[in-house]
Amino acid sequence: GQSLEQPSEVTAVEGAIVQINCTYQTSGFYGLSWYQQHDGGAPTFLSYNALDGLEETGRFSSFLSRSDSYGYLLLQELQMKDSASYFCAVRGSGYSTLTFGKGTMLLVSP
Amino acid sequence: DGGITQSPKYLFRKEGQNVTLSCEQNLNHDAMYWYRQDPGQGLRLIYYSQIVNDFQKGDIAEGYSVSREKKESFPLTVTSAQKNPTAFYLCASSMDTDRGYGYTFGSGTRLTVV
Repeated sequence: GQSLEQPSEVTAVEGAIVQINCTYQTSGFYGLSWYQQHDGGAPTFLSYNALDGLEETGRFSSFLSRSDSYGYLLLQELQMKDSASYFCAVRGSGYSTLTFGKGTMLLVSP
Repeated sequence: DGGITQSPKYLFRKEGQNVTLSCEQNLNHDAMYWYRQDPGQGLRLIYYSQIVNDFQKGDIAEGYSVSREKKESFPLTVTSAQKNPTAFYLCASSMDTDRGYGYTFGSGTRLTVV
């Protein structure tokens, strides 16, 4: 099966940079995804890494190290609207459904 | 615009009742999924379907049933056998060939047992 570990909560101030880590255990691996969910809303896709390295999309970047079974989401120039929960997810072997971590709640303060 | 529509947004169920949650997509996606979200538990997979008239159990299928008679529709029934149904239910879809990204989620149905 698959399991993922990520911190339950991270706090930061506006304008800062924050990193949300994710470690995973999976039988087979097709990639690590990140989703954002505002309170009571639908999760929305942020980024995807299938290969080692850094992927950058605007203020958000995501990193993957397959040898370490580790990835992180980097959020720069934090804004109040970035306060949300962030989930990492992996797709393992067989027909690929996503297994999600329990989520990290990011609180951005003024 | 393409997307996923879940209804109703809020649903109240009495003990012993079956209720059905609707999920419709117009994205022409092959695969559809149902996830359950509880506070602090992340998203857990209930059922998924790769093609019409076929579906598979996820990690927590007990007490739930689904159907996939049309590509666009994947309703979830929460039966009286589900002992703790109060949760936030999310429907998602993706292209079958996706390899880990591109899930599109609906806005969810919040089910409460009264």
